[in-house]
Amino acid sequence: DPKIIQKPKYLVAVTGSEKILICEQYLGHNAMYWYRQSAKKPLEFMFSYSYQKLMDNQTASSRFQPQSSKKNHLDLQITALKPDDSATYFCASSRGTTNNQAPLFGEGTRLSVL
Amino acid sequence: GDQVEQSPSALSLHEGTGSALRCNFTTTMRAVQWFRKNSRGSLINLFYLASGTKENGRLKSAFDSKERYSTLHIRDAQLEDSGTYFCAAENMGYKLTFGTGTSLLVDP
Repeated sequence: DPKIIQKPKYLVAVTGSEKILICEQYLGHNAMYWYRQSAKKPLEFMFSYSYQKLMDNQTASSRFQPQSSKKNHLDLQITALKPDDSATYFCASSRGTTNNQAPLFGEGTRLSVL
Repeated sequence: GDQVEQSPSALSLHEGTGSALRCNFTTTMRAVQWFRKNSRGSLINLFYLASGTKENGRLKSAFDSKERYSTLHIRDAQLEDSGTYFCAAENMGYKLTFGTGTSLLVDP
């Protein structure tokens, strides 16, 4: 059974709309992350949270807002969607944010913006 | 910023043969992870190394922080090994920088 659940697996949205990508982990981890993989690009780090607090934000646009309602949840709200936002969004988690704590990844949400 | 150069970008192997993937880093990294992306798009953890080598079945990985590289060796390749392989380097404690991936095709 997957321990990091991302929903939905596939998502189609129209330009200008808003979507929320869901991520839940059942590993008892304290740190959670979002990464994005656009077409023909490597996965790129977006955000990290530790104990529900933002640790690092490498996303230039404020249209991307993580939301952590519980320690094992880190959802990603994307507003005013653009076609360039089309990508696969991966959630990950780890025990902590210190060294040698390898993150585990979810299966991703593939977002297409038309 | 930190960069990870992964090669080759694509690789074709006959069943039963082997080869190596390589990632070079532009700066000293603390650790490296190797992943395989399966047909469903899931990222499967293969190895996490802070130094030295690790072996798991037909896969073996090495990481040399000082020389700034890591390798993933595949021997006796099987059809189910086909997929895209990524290395990801850890500099700061939590942030991974990914390579561009190697698309591996194993044919009979």
